[in-house]
Amino acid sequence: DAGVTQSPTHLIKTRGQQVTLRCSPKSGHDTVSWYQQALGQGPQFIFQYYEEEERQRGNFPDRFSGHQFPNYSSELNVNALLLGDSALYLCASSLRTSGPDETQYFGPGTRLLVL
Amino acid sequence: LAKTTQPISMDSYEGQEVNITCSHNNIATNDYITWYQQFPSQGPRFIIQGYKTKVTNEVASLFIPADRKSSTLSLPRVSLSDTAVYYCLVRDTGRRALTFGSGTRLQVQP
Repeated sequence: DAGVTQSPTHLIKTRGQQVTLRCSPKSGHDTVSWYQQALGQGPQFIFQYYEEEERQRGNFPDRFSGHQFPNYSSELNVNALLLGDSALYLCASSLRTSGPDETQYFGPGTRLLVL
Repeated sequence: LAKTTQPISMDSYEGQEVNITCSHNNIATNDYITWYQQFPSQGPRFIIQGYKTKVTNEVASLFIPADRKSSTLSLPRVSLSDTAVYYCLVRDTGRRALTFGSGTRLQVQP
C-alpha cells in the first residue's frame, strides 16, 4: 500500500519563476492538503482540496494556487517566486469523514530553494 | 485564529517517560487533536489523536482535559530513536484552518 508520494524531491528556482509541485495521495484517500515548512519552523497550512475544489485556505497570497485531479492527485503552483518561498513543501492526504477524526498522512516533502 | 504553544525543547534519558504539552485556544469544538513526530528533512509521522480524556495506542498516550485548552503527549520509556521534533495539530474554530504547534525538540540521551 503506497503512502503519500511527492515529486520532485528537490528543486532549485530563481526569483520570479514559477514552480509546480505534485502529490499523489495514499491509496483510498480523497482529500489533499498542502503545507509550507520553513527551516526550523512548524508546517504552515496553505490549503486543502476535496472533490477537485479548494475547501479551506490558510494565510497565503494568491501566488499560491492548486489543483486536484479526478484521481485525487494534486498540484501546488507558486508564481513569482520570492526568496522567502524557500522551504519544504509537504503534502498530506486524508479520507474525508463526516466526523472529526480525519487523520492526515504526510509525504516526504519537496525541498524548494529559490535563489 | 487558533494559537498553540509548546515548549521549544526537552531533554530526557533512555527509559524515562516524557510528557509534552501543547496549549491551544480557539480550536474547533468538535475536531480531534493530533500529534506528529518529525525527523529532519522528512514529513511528519502520525503518532496519536484524540478528542477528550485519554487515548492510548502502542506508542503513546494522549491526555486532553475537559476544557480542551491543552493536550499532553506521553511517551513511555523513550529510546534514542525518539529524538525528533513533536508537533500538535489542531483546527481553528473560525476559519477552520489547520494549525500546527511550534514544535518541541526532544533530545534523548543514553
